[in-house]
Amino acid sequence: SYVLTQPPSVSVAPGQTARITCGGNNIGSKSVHWYQQKPGQAPVLVVYDDSDRPSGIPERFSGSNSGNTATLTISRVEAGDEADYYCQVWDSSSAHRENVFGTGTKVTVL
Amino acid sequence: QVQLVQSGAEVKKPGASVKVSCKASGYTFTSYDINWVRQATGQGLEWMGWMNPNSGNTGYAQKFQGRVTMTRNTSISTAYMELSSLRSEDTAVYYCARADYGSGSYSDYWGQGTLVTVSS
Repeated sequence: SYVLTQPPSVSVAPGQTARITCGGNNIGSKSVHWYQQKPGQAPVLVVYDDSDRPSGIPERFSGSNSGNTATLTISRVEAGDEADYYCQVWDSSSAHRENVFGTGTKVTVL
Repeated sequence: QVQLVQSGAEVKKPGASVKVSCKASGYTFTSYDINWVRQATGQGLEWMGWMNPNSGNTGYAQKFQGRVTMTRNTSISTAYMELSSLRSEDTAVYYCARADYGSGSYSDYWGQGTLVTVSS
């Protein structure tokens, strides 16, 4: 089955830029989506189709995808961005077509 | 506004079944698929499967094949996820989410989650 690998944690100072990677075999050929999840809450979609933002999501959140790595970038990080972040793709490469989530990255704002 | 409201917490014994409901409002229920995702305490998100409320068609993650059933009642805009032969490892928060499609499939609105505890 398809595996998406994320770093367990990323630390960033307020006002700086956080970059969260999501590694997968030829992930650049897939559409990648990103979710933010704060403690005790349901996930929230922050980027879809590699780089599009749902309405209401700040422009500080952006995404890119190429080769074997997709990246979620959070610019001008704020304390409220502290959360877990998950990438997700639809894997149709095998006989079992499934949605796959990354392992998750905890973003800590210093 | 789009809302997905899930049923309340459940406590079940090993070997039993649980059925979680997800009532949709604010959009046409039959126009969007529903995903089910679970999350054990302190763990990541795990996709369980999807259902098309219009046709009733489903697709399940290989891990849950044979143990999960997703259904719906279109008259009350409600989706259901039933998991059988429960074991302690099934203790988790279960989420329903509306699936939308662009270049890929993503979940744009989520329910509040339902805690299912499996304990003897």
